Parts: sequence; structure tokens; C-alpha cells
Amino acid sequence: EAQVTQNPRYLITVTGKKLTVTCSQNMNHEYMSWYRQDPGLGLRQIYYSMNVEVTDKGDVPEGYKVSRKEKRNFPLILESPSPNQTSLYFCASSRYRGGETQYFGPGTRLLVL
Amino acid sequence: AQSVTQLGSHVSVSEGALVLLRCNYSSSVPPYLFWYVQYPNQGLQLLLKYTSAATLVKGINGFEAEFKKSETSFHLTKPSAHMSDAAEYFCAVWGSREYGNKLVFGAGTILRVKS
Repeated sequence: EAQVTQNPRYLITVTGKKLTVTCSQNMNHEYMSWYRQDPGLGLRQIYYSMNVEVTDKGDVPEGYKVSRKEKRNFPLILESPSPNQTSLYFCASSRYRGGETQYFGPGTRLLVL
Repeated sequence: AQSVTQLGSHVSVSEGALVLLRCNYSSSVPPYLFWYVQYPNQGLQLLLKYTSAATLVKGINGFEAEFKKSETSFHLTKPSAHMSDAAEYFCAVWGSREYGNKLVFGAGTILRVKS
């Protein structure tokens, strides 16, 4: 089944404790992206990757890191989480950048205390 | 900055009534336009997509949307609401340079369906 998977689905952590949210897709998509969803703001892009070893900042990259060492994986790293990073996070992928349909993972709900 | 505006953060309709969710975008160039739906505790899934082939786009679950260039609108409609349509709906635009070569989302509209 074609899908985007994320882990964990739920995470509670404390300020400053490094964490990684994994994202994997099995559709051989070149383009992958991370979004955060906050009430009343819709989805905002954090980082994206056009292919292996090619990543770039989205609209809200501060406090986040990403890497793309393999085509299928695109982890999101919070090196020193803060309470303002409490949010719902989505990973998405598409064949290419541009007007392609993006396929979304199920989301990771993060609470930073 | 370019933007996508969804009028009404919450819309409530009775079962069987018309659903109308509004979306306007700020662009002079017809972009790619999308409607995504998010059911509770799930990720987003594509409802429909406009790619300039036809101004009236039919999607899944009986939804359709009409692209109106003169109004820069892409409103989503369904003739008869069903309880299972209760969800949050997002309009999104991909408009190359004007939108920074990325997908830009509206703030979302929560649809409530009353029995």
C-alpha cells in the first residue's frame, strides 16, 4: 500500500530534550516536506527536500533541522524543543515539486512542557 | 505576501443541505488549486485538484469545485451533505514564483453536519 508513515504519533517531552520525528514514504517520491498545523493558521511549511541531499527552508524553519540521506526517509529534528513548538506535524511527499498531489502522513502530535 | 483565504472558520449545515466552502486566492496567474480534507485524528487527503484542464472539477465523495479566474475563487460545493462529511477542509494553492514555489494553505474550514 502506498503510504507515508510517521513515528511517533504522539509525543510529550520537556524543553530542551532533543527529539526526532521520523517520516518514510514507499512511493519513490522525490519531493518531501514537513508542515506544522496550528489552529487558525492552517498548515505552514517547515522544510522541504527536492531529492537526496537537497533540502531547503520553508516558511517556519527556526528551531528545526532535517536531513535527506535516503530517498524514502525525511526525519524532522528538534535539537532543543521549546513550548512554542507544541503543534501537530505532518510529513508529505509528491513525485516532484510543483503542482503535484501531495500525500500526507497521519500526523505527529507534539507537546513540549 | 501571497495568500489563500477561506471565508468562515466554521460552517454548519443540516444533513441533506447544500455545502458551500469558500476559497479565494491572491494571484494573477491561474495556479494549481487543491482542496484537501482532514478527518479527525487523520492526515490530509486530496479531495480534488484544478490543473487548468476544466474549470469545473469533480472530486471524491460527491464534491466539486469551480475555478473562476475573474473572481480568483475556487469554492467547494456538494449538493447534499452527509454526516460523514464532517471534517476540516483546506484550500491550497501552488502558484510557482508568486507563492514561492510551494504549496500555500488556507486556514481551514471546519464543517459540521447536523442531523
